[in-house]
Amino acid sequence: SQLAEENPWALSVHEGESVTVNCSYKTSITALQWYRQKSGEGPAQLILIRSNEREKRNGRLRATLDTSSQSSSLSITATRCEDTAVYFCAPWTGGYKVVFGSGTRLLVSP
Amino acid sequence: EAAVTQSPRNKVAVTGGKVTLSCNQTNNHNNMYWYRQDTGHGLRLIHYSYGAGSTEKGDIPDGYKASRPSQENFSLILELATPSQTSVYFCASGGGTGGVYAEQFFGPGTRLTVL
Repeated sequence: SQLAEENPWALSVHEGESVTVNCSYKTSITALQWYRQKSGEGPAQLILIRSNEREKRNGRLRATLDTSSQSSSLSITATRCEDTAVYFCAPWTGGYKVVFGSGTRLLVSP
Repeated sequence: EAAVTQSPRNKVAVTGGKVTLSCNQTNNHNNMYWYRQDTGHGLRLIHYSYGAGSTEKGDIPDGYKASRPSQENFSLILELATPSQTSVYFCASGGGTGGVYAEQFFGPGTRLTVL
């Protein structure tokens, strides 16, 4: 079974709408990262939220973390077409390795 | 200017042939990683390195070797390529110049097709 899993598998919204991607993970973490991967590119980190934090913001992005339920969410407000991408959660246990989920595919239409 | 570059960007190989994928980083990071990405599997770690001269097995190392001759360069080697190794391969660097950090910086990927 995967150590991290995003849901839903895919989302489709119109520009200006808000959207939330959820993540469940199965390991004790030091921090959890959210990455975005646009078509034809490698992933890029959006937010890192530490295990002692409950919420982290970065512009239109807001990440939450609940270590008791081993879950996280990433919300994007006022979506834009350029937010179209695959979003991954990536739990980090403090070592050299980072675990990536399979991703949520977000399509933002005009 | 891109900090993690990969070459080639696209590669077609024949079954049983040898394939070398190269990665170069200018971040001066200690750690480097090779992943493959297939539909439905996300990113899976093949090999990683925590410094020049070191290579470590990741989660799916079978059929792959790695080489880290310098801080900047990390190669992935398929000695006997098979069609099941058709995938998109990503290199990443991370870890700053000391210690361990979570963020990884990815290259643009190499699309490998093994016929």
